[in-house]
Amino acid sequence: GQQLNQSPQSMFIQEGEDVSMNCTSSSIFNTWLWYKQDPGEGPVLLIALYKAGELTSNGRLTAQFGITRKDSFLNISASIPSDVGIYFCAGQLYGNAGNMLTFGGGTRLMVKP
Amino acid sequence: NAGVMQNPRHLVRRRGQEARLRCSPMKGHSHVYWYRQLPEEGLKFMVYLQKENIIDESGMPKERFSAEFPKEGPSILRIQQVVRGDSAAYFCASSPTSGSHNEQFFGPGTRLTVL
Repeated sequence: GQQLNQSPQSMFIQEGEDVSMNCTSSSIFNTWLWYKQDPGEGPVLLIALYKAGELTSNGRLTAQFGITRKDSFLNISASIPSDVGIYFCAGQLYGNAGNMLTFGGGTRLMVKP
Repeated sequence: NAGVMQNPRHLVRRRGQEARLRCSPMKGHSHVYWYRQLPEEGLKFMVYLQKENIIDESGMPKERFSAEFPKEGPSILRIQQVVRGDSAAYFCASSPTSGSHNEQFFGPGTRLTVL
């Protein structure tokens, strides 16, 4: 099956710093999505990307759909304490293959006050 | 506008018992997906259903696990004769239809603990 490699696995950053994380896949996707999960909760959708090369922003978050359709990155600018959590990338290959999401292993973000 | 609802939020079962997890999709959503998450891991797809139909169950174990989404009422994920390895968080997601631009929105999950 498809594999998503997400890195880094975890990171400590200083409040106010910019953060970058990425996902690479062994095969292509039609859609890339980025979710954030807080402890004890379900994933919350942050950004959805539908076209190769697409760059999309949501407040301090910016994500890009790689040209090869096998990768995506997420940037968070000027991090704040509430950015703490686990960020997951997910790829979707809709159509005959169904609509399931394939998730990366997550990036755990910890912010030093 | 209520989001995806799941209950119970926490479920404790002894080995050999049955676990029933319920999911009510967002209003207007007719597609339901179940995922499982082990500690420190990403979510893994289990099954995709529309009303009264299982569309894709490629991620669901062949034994002991079943899912349904009846015409009326919530979607149910059923685990028979639970074992310790079934302990995990189970998430339900819903989308309005299928295909592009139909993002999946997740519920808060059911945390199953098997003693």
